[in-house]
Amino acid sequence: QKEVEQNSGPLSVPEGAIASLNCTYSDRGSQSFFWYRQYSGKSPELIMSIYSNGDKEDGRFTAQLNKASQYVSLLIRDSQPSDSATYLCAVKGSGGSYIPTFGRGTSLIVHP
Amino acid sequence: GAGVSQSPSNKVTEKGKDVELRCDPISGHTALYWYRQSLGQGLEFLIYFQGNSAPDKSGLPSDRFSAERTGGSVSTLTIQRTQQEDSAVYLCASSPQGEGGYTFGSGTRLTVV
Repeated sequence: QKEVEQNSGPLSVPEGAIASLNCTYSDRGSQSFFWYRQYSGKSPELIMSIYSNGDKEDGRFTAQLNKASQYVSLLIRDSQPSDSATYLCAVKGSGGSYIPTFGRGTSLIVHP
Repeated sequence: GAGVSQSPSNKVTEKGKDVELRCDPISGHTALYWYRQSLGQGLEFLIYFQGNSAPDKSGLPSDRFSAERTGGSVSTLTIQRTQQEDSAVYLCASSPQGEGGYTFGSGTRLTVV
């Protein structure tokens, strides 16, 4: 059973702070990792993908991957109230599977 | 089209009736996925289509659920004899050849009364 675990939150941070969202996964052979943002009542939106160990930066977002420890994280710098949403971690496993496993998401609240 | 299009956006149906949900993926995307999301719950995988290959139906919850994809493009998810527990948002997503992340449609909110 492939599992992707996220703290459900809510994670509350003040405006301008760094929000750190974490995700652990059970399938050691996983190859592809994604972060989606889902606003309340809306569908998920892909914001980051990462495939190799280390950091990947895109604007205020940084994805960090550590395959040895089986975790992937998302950092949001200079958090804004508009970043308030649920963040879903998705992991594509080994064996050529194209069906990722989604975590249940972490709710982020950025307060002014 | 520019994005993944789903219709209808909302559907209210009586228990026991059949419903059809439609998904039109991004042009050129060969991979198409159906998920459902119940209130406050995570994404539940239903079915995956890749090109002309046989679909992966491993997520369908019962034989009341079926889906087809015509011409490698538009897909229809059919739920027969709907039950109240089928009430959820049904999301379609597509991607180029199954690689990379998805683009999701805006979903169909199904309410069974």
